[in-house]
Amino acid sequence: EAGVAQSPRYKIIEKRQSVAFWCNPISGHATLYWYQQILGQGPKLLIQFQNNGVVDDSQLPKDRFSAERLKGVDSTLKIQPAKLEDSAVYLCASSLGASSGAGANVLTFGAGSRLTVL
Amino acid sequence: GESVGLHLPTLSVQEGDNSIINCAYSNSASDYFIWYKQESGKGPQFIIDIRSNMDKRQGQRVTVLLNKTVKHLSLQIAATQPGDSAVYFCAEASYKLIFGSGTRLLVRP
Repeated sequence: EAGVAQSPRYKIIEKRQSVAFWCNPISGHATLYWYQQILGQGPKLLIQFQNNGVVDDSQLPKDRFSAERLKGVDSTLKIQPAKLEDSAVYLCASSLGASSGAGANVLTFGAGSRLTVL
Repeated sequence: GESVGLHLPTLSVQEGDNSIINCAYSNSASDYFIWYKQESGKGPQFIIDIRSNMDKRQGQRVTVLLNKTVKHLSLQIAATQPGDSAVYFCAEASYKLIFGSGTRLLVRP
């Protein structure tokens, strides 16, 4: 089965510029996640979608980050304007169902999009 | 919970030896735990999971142990191979999945 596809793999921008990342989850996976992974740290959840609805965006810096999953399949994550501290790998993951307690599903991750903000 | 650190703890083992990677979690309400392996330039890859009603689960060359009393999780890798070199993350789930800071495993030939 095809994995989670992400693009671009690498992006270098200057601070205050904007950037967008794209994710295509595994076919049939209802839940999609965006994680931010800063160098040397574990992934941190930014936003979780169930189909095209937002389940959790409590850690998303909404003044500069936005994400959408309009048709319940592909998703985009946008940063505008970017700050130096946004330099990180942005990981997209998907799972069959919602991650919730004992019913948590296994997440399959994409390779990530590495962002460098200068 | 999450720890913030620029330097990952590192475990160096000889090829063929067993590896034990430890993880402490913070939320006593977490009822599901997962170990992920992340190789350089790749996303995390599922290794093994365990639910809170179990204290041990075995896979192929890997065993996860859960001690809920002290909120501790460990991953044991038998006969460690060069391909096991990676960063290993434990993750805990209550209503959402939270990753730990990771441990780098280096396998010496």
